[in-house]
Amino acid sequence: DAEITQSPRHKITETGRQVTLACHQTWNHNNMFWYRQDLGHGLRLIHYSYGVQDTNKGEVSDGYSVSRSNTEDLPLTLESAASSQTSVYFCASSEPGEETQYFGPGTRLLVL
Amino acid sequence: RKEVEQDPGPFNVPEGATVAFNCTYSNSASQSFFWYRQDCRKEPKLLMSVYSSGNEDGRFTAQLNRASQYISLLIRDSKLSDSATYLCVSSRGTGGFKTIFGAGTRLFVKA
Repeated sequence: DAEITQSPRHKITETGRQVTLACHQTWNHNNMFWYRQDLGHGLRLIHYSYGVQDTNKGEVSDGYSVSRSNTEDLPLTLESAASSQTSVYFCASSEPGEETQYFGPGTRLLVL
Repeated sequence: RKEVEQDPGPFNVPEGATVAFNCTYSNSASQSFFWYRQDCRKEPKLLMSVYSSGNEDGRFTAQLNRASQYISLLIRDSKLSDSATYLCVSSRGTGGFKTIFGAGTRLFVKA
């Protein structure tokens, strides 16, 4: 069965460190998204991609970057982790022209 | 003001009860609407789309009022397994980046 996975599922890091969160989907979807979810804010879009070599900034992109070298993967990098980036991060994917998004299980990140 | 607003709850209801959630959206360019369900410490999953004429999926009924810019979700005969957070979602078109998620309404169904 097609799926979307994230790793690690839990991560503790220190401020100032670079952190990369992995997202891998086997749906063969062109569209991929990274969100963060914080209490009271709902899901906020960090970055998104519509295909290989395409990346775009979302609502809360400062301090984050992504790259898309193949269809299956969209890793999210925190260049220099800050305590404000403590959150739950969800990756999602969708088919072009479709609005339904399929989410990965999430990564819980704690920045100390 | 948030583009999609929901009452955070929690709603505490007994099994078998009927419960309704409302959600308002501020962008009149919003075209499509959805309800997602999110279980505790899990990922959101699509529950149902919301159509202009209203639509039903088993015990769940979704309604859209474009004039007043609100969406509703009605759950009849609540089950313990309905306990979750319900996310209201609006979209201003395909492409995903125009999709806005509400912060969610928490529902607890008690035996």
